[in-house]
Amino acid sequence: QKEVEQDPGPLSVPEGAIVSLNCTYSNSAFQYFMWYRQYSRKGPELLMYTYSSGNKEDGRFTAQVDKSSKYISLFIRDSQPSDSATYLCAMSVMLGNTPLVFGKGTRLSVIA
Amino acid sequence: DGGITQSPKYLFRKEGQNVTLSCEQNLNHDAMYWYRQDPGQGLRLIYYSQIVNDFQKGDIAEGYSVSREKKESFPLTVTSAQKNPTAFYLCASSMDRGGKNIQYFGAGTRLSVL
Repeated sequence: QKEVEQDPGPLSVPEGAIVSLNCTYSNSAFQYFMWYRQYSRKGPELLMYTYSSGNKEDGRFTAQVDKSSKYISLFIRDSQPSDSATYLCAMSVMLGNTPLVFGKGTRLSVIA
Repeated sequence: DGGITQSPKYLFRKEGQNVTLSCEQNLNHDAMYWYRQDPGQGLRLIYYSQIVNDFQKGDIAEGYSVSREKKESFPLTVTSAQKNPTAFYLCASSMDRGGKNIQYFGAGTRLSVL
């Protein structure tokens, strides 16, 4: 079993839809959870950063962490064509400058 | 402009050749990382360095080598021992700010085999 599982999609939704992206993980020691967005042929950019269980909201984006189920989610409200990208979940055990463990990424297309 | 610069953007390698990918950052970050991304795959860690003159192997270090002689620079050499080098290579850096581990990425280098 891989440490982090993420459905690669592709996922195609109409403009304005609510998008739900998910990752599951096996290592209960993960405490820090991130979502990165990667446009085609570009480097990933950080979207959301959360610590432990709970919700975090930033504009149209909401990140949820459920440590008891080892499950994290990213919700995008009122999706726009500019949201079309690959979304990667990432997580780490420790604080500080340590490597992240990434999911495979989910490719999202928002159709106008 | 602060950021991470990777060069070249595209690189071609001949059989038996070593090639070096450049990564420079002017963010004053302590740590730097190299990841490899294959189609439909996530990012896999090749090497990372938390301080100058020190680096650690990642999950797929075989066939690669790095150096960290300066804080700003972390070049990656893809050696002839790496039999399947075609991939998108991403460099990242991070600074421990109040415990947060946020990595910032360059634009990547796409390596192909001739």
